[in-house]
Amino acid sequence: AQSVSQHNHHVILSEAASLELGCNYSYGGTVNLFWYVQYPGQHLQLLLKYFSGDPLVKGIKGFEAEFIKSKFSFNLRKPSVQWSDTAEYFCAVNGGSQGNLIFGKGTKLSVKP
Amino acid sequence: DTAVSQTPKYLVTQMGNDKSIKCEQNLGHDTMYWYKQDSKKFLKIMFSYNNKELIINETVPNRFSPKSPDKAHLNLHINSLELGDSAVYFCASSRRGSADTQYFGPGTRLTVL
Repeated sequence: AQSVSQHNHHVILSEAASLELGCNYSYGGTVNLFWYVQYPGQHLQLLLKYFSGDPLVKGIKGFEAEFIKSKFSFNLRKPSVQWSDTAEYFCAVNGGSQGNLIFGKGTKLSVKP
Repeated sequence: DTAVSQTPKYLVTQMGNDKSIKCEQNLGHDTMYWYKQDSKKFLKIMFSYNNKELIINETVPNRFSPKSPDKAHLNLHINSLELGDSAVYFCASSRRGSADTQYFGPGTRLTVL
């Protein structure tokens, strides 16, 4: 069965610090990979996605993620965080055309002004 | 324009009651979903519908029943509500199957007393 692991439960950073959130998945076949963000009290919004091609994908708001197939990883990065990036971040994986979208347990990011 | 909308946003009810949550998408997508987000923010798929046909039915209690009057709507009906049903329920849609990007509604916070 597919699973998604997000290593950090809660990350606290100061503004302008660099961010990297880990995501690993278990699935042997072709996968589609997503990062979603959930701002306090709001719905999930897509940050970025990887289906194929360049393993370094750029998303909205300065976020990027790198797919490393050999490590089954899809880590999210941002060079300089802002207070407005405070949110919950979810990694999600889909394997196969009829497979479910499996979410990680989320990482809460708190950015101190 | 709201892409995926849900009503109501908040729902407070007593144990044993029956309630419904409505979802509508104006994206012309073929597939719609219901997710449950528990108190620890963990997201898990409950149902998905493709062209009014149930294609994924996770192991949820049969007190939960999705109803799709047309491609743009997927309502969630819950019978005999229990305390453990308290959660945030998100509707989502995607263009075709679950391999495509899913767009989420604002969520319905259900509280069972």
